[in-house]
Amino acid sequence: SQQGEEDPQALSIQEGENATMNCSYKTSINNLQWYRQNSGRGLVHLILIRSNEREKHSGRLRVTLDTSKKSSSLLITASRAADTASYFCATDERTGANNLFFGTGTRLTVIP
Amino acid sequence: EAQVTQNPRYLITVTGKKLTVTCSQNMNHEYMSWYRQDPGLGLRQIYYSMNVEVTDKGDVPEGYKVSRKEKRNFPLILESPSPNQTSLYFCASIGPGGQRYNEQFFGPGTRLTVL
Repeated sequence: SQQGEEDPQALSIQEGENATMNCSYKTSINNLQWYRQNSGRGLVHLILIRSNEREKHSGRLRVTLDTSKKSSSLLITASRAADTASYFCATDERTGANNLFFGTGTRLTVIP
Repeated sequence: EAQVTQNPRYLITVTGKKLTVTCSQNMNHEYMSWYRQDPGLGLRQIYYSMNVEVTDKGDVPEGYKVSRKEKRNFPLILESPSPNQTSLYFCASIGPGGQRYNEQFFGPGTRLTVL
């Protein structure tokens, strides 16, 4: 299966700084999504970017997608302590099925 | 409130004792899925269901069974649990518009320990 890979595995920043996380995947996709997970809890959908889009914004989140490099990045601007969580990218294969393939996640710690 | 619920949230059991983790969604979603999450491995799909009476294997189905007799429920069954099934389990369903874009709604998770 085409599991995504996030980079870095862990990131620690000061409150107010920007956080950038990257995701790489292996095969052609329909769309790529980013999810957030607070420790030990369920994942929450953050943002979805379609394969024909290059950039998308939602509040303090900015997602880019480069299908030629099979990579995406998630930028969180003006980070807050409450942004501390794990962030996962998820992709679907271009087969029409609904299954998602998740990466191993980036653990973000925002220090107050 | 629209949600995915799982029960139990925590379970400690012994090897070989059959158990069921329930999952229910109140959003009339057709697609539901089970994942397990292990350190360093991310989320891996166990089974999924496209609709009632339609189930299929994910990446790691061994040792698990599922059923989908009604749209809202998708229980995960471990007939003979083993210690390597100790994990954090998540149920998910496809959200509004998700039939095209696959946004998934996740339950709160079930932490299972098999001794």
